[in-house]
Amino acid sequence: AQSVTQLDSQVPVFEEAPVELRCNYSSSVSVYLFWYVQYPNQGLQLLLKYLSGSTLVKGINGFEAEFNKSQTSFHLRKPSVHISDTAEYFCAVSDRGSSNTGKLIFGQGTTLQVKP
Amino acid sequence: DGGITQSPKYLFRKEGQNVTLSCEQNLNHDAMYWYRQDPGQGLRLIYYSQIVNDFQKGDIAEGYSVSREKKESFPLTVTSAQKNPTAFYLCASRGGVADTQYFGPGTRLTVL
Repeated sequence: AQSVTQLDSQVPVFEEAPVELRCNYSSSVSVYLFWYVQYPNQGLQLLLKYLSGSTLVKGINGFEAEFNKSQTSFHLRKPSVHISDTAEYFCAVSDRGSSNTGKLIFGQGTTLQVKP
Repeated sequence: DGGITQSPKYLFRKEGQNVTLSCEQNLNHDAMYWYRQDPGQGLRLIYYSQIVNDFQKGDIAEGYSVSREKKESFPLTVTSAQKNPTAFYLCASRGGVADTQYFGPGTRLTVL
C-alpha cells in the first residue's frame, strides 16, 4: 500500500523569503509524484510532476521539486515567495505499474501562509 | 476551451434527500474520479471509472452512487444513507503523459 506524509500542516513565511514544503512517501512499487495547489474554494491545479529522468523538476509559478529515491522524498521549493502563493499544497503519488488504475494517494496538505 | 466543469458550485440539501452532483469533461479522457475533501484530511477517493459503463468503489463509497453512461459525464449521487455529507466534492479526469489527473472547480455541499 502507498502512503504520503506532508510533514508540516502550516508553513508561515514572509514575502520574498524562500520556502520548502516537505513530502515523504511510502510505496513498494515505482510511482509517479505530483504537487498540486489549491486556492480557497477552487479545484486543484497541477504545479509539477516527476515521471522519470532528472530528479529536479521545474513547474509553474517558479516552483521546483526534487525527487530523492533513497529518502523517498519529493520536497517542493520556491526561492522567493509572493503573497499570491498563499494557498494549500498537496503532494500525491500514483502507481506506475501495469495494473495502474491511476488512483492518486494524497497527503494531508500544507497551508502556505505568505506574510507581507 | 477544454476542461472539466462541475455544477452546481454550491448545493444545499435537507437531511433525508438525495442530491446529484454533475461532472462533465471535454478532454476526451477515459478515466474519471470523484473525491471528497474535508478540512485537514486531504482528498479521499469515493468512486472512479476507467471506461464507459464501468466503475469501481474507492475508499469511502458508502452512501454514494455513480453512473458512467457517456464518456464525458460522471455524475455523483449523495444518498440519504451518507451520514455526514457536508463537504467539498471534486471531480477529476485522467489522461496525457503519466496519466495526470486534472480537476474541476468543485461543488460545496451543505446539509441543513
